[in-house]
Amino acid sequence: DSGVTQTPKHLITATGQRVTLRCSPRSGDLSVYWYQQSLDQGLQFLIQYYNGEERAKGNILERFSAQQFPDLHSELNLSSLELGDSALYFCASSVGSGSTEQFFGPGTRLTVL
Amino acid sequence: AQKVTQAQTEISVVEKEDVTLDCVYETRDTTYYLFWYKQPPSGELVFLIRRNSFDEQNEISGRYSWNFQKSTSSFNFTITASQVVDSAVYFCALSEAFRTGSARQLTFGSGTQLTVLP
Repeated sequence: DSGVTQTPKHLITATGQRVTLRCSPRSGDLSVYWYQQSLDQGLQFLIQYYNGEERAKGNILERFSAQQFPDLHSELNLSSLELGDSALYFCASSVGSGSTEQFFGPGTRLTVL
Repeated sequence: AQKVTQAQTEISVVEKEDVTLDCVYETRDTTYYLFWYKQPPSGELVFLIRRNSFDEQNEISGRYSWNFQKSTSSFNFTITASQVVDSAVYFCALSEAFRTGSARQLTFGSGTQLTVLP
């Protein structure tokens, strides 16, 4: 158990809908990363937050957004969902912004029908 | 730009055989970090090892060993005497060196599906 929690574990929704994925980092970790694992794109970095502020952006679509709250949990919002958004979404946390050691949560499996 | 290549998409071995998973990386940085993660059928990502670019010593942990060769930009992973429980997807990943204000997101390879048959 990495200490990173993600909810829900599974999510099934329809095209055009909007969903929110939640992540709670390990106690003491200030940085949260979101990754997407899909059959087409593999595992790719989406976005990072550090202590409430966006720190880095990767291949994140404009339909996706994220935020980190004062209690350091983070939410990834996916809107206008398409079939291709079906994927496993991982959250990872680390102590600092530049920490090399990231601890991954169990992931949220999103299925868009 | 960073890139990680795992040319072996799938490998199948019989239990007790040794198996090596290849990883080749590209980066412009002189300081960087390399990782291996395991993803069992249950789906979670399990951290196996982190190595910085200044440490080219090979590492052994039980049945696992890693061979880092900067000259060939490779960071290969060997499982000795494989077991059925080793069946998983294995990912190699690269992280750039820290610069003030920068992040250290991981760039992953495409993964190698290892199947160990009884």
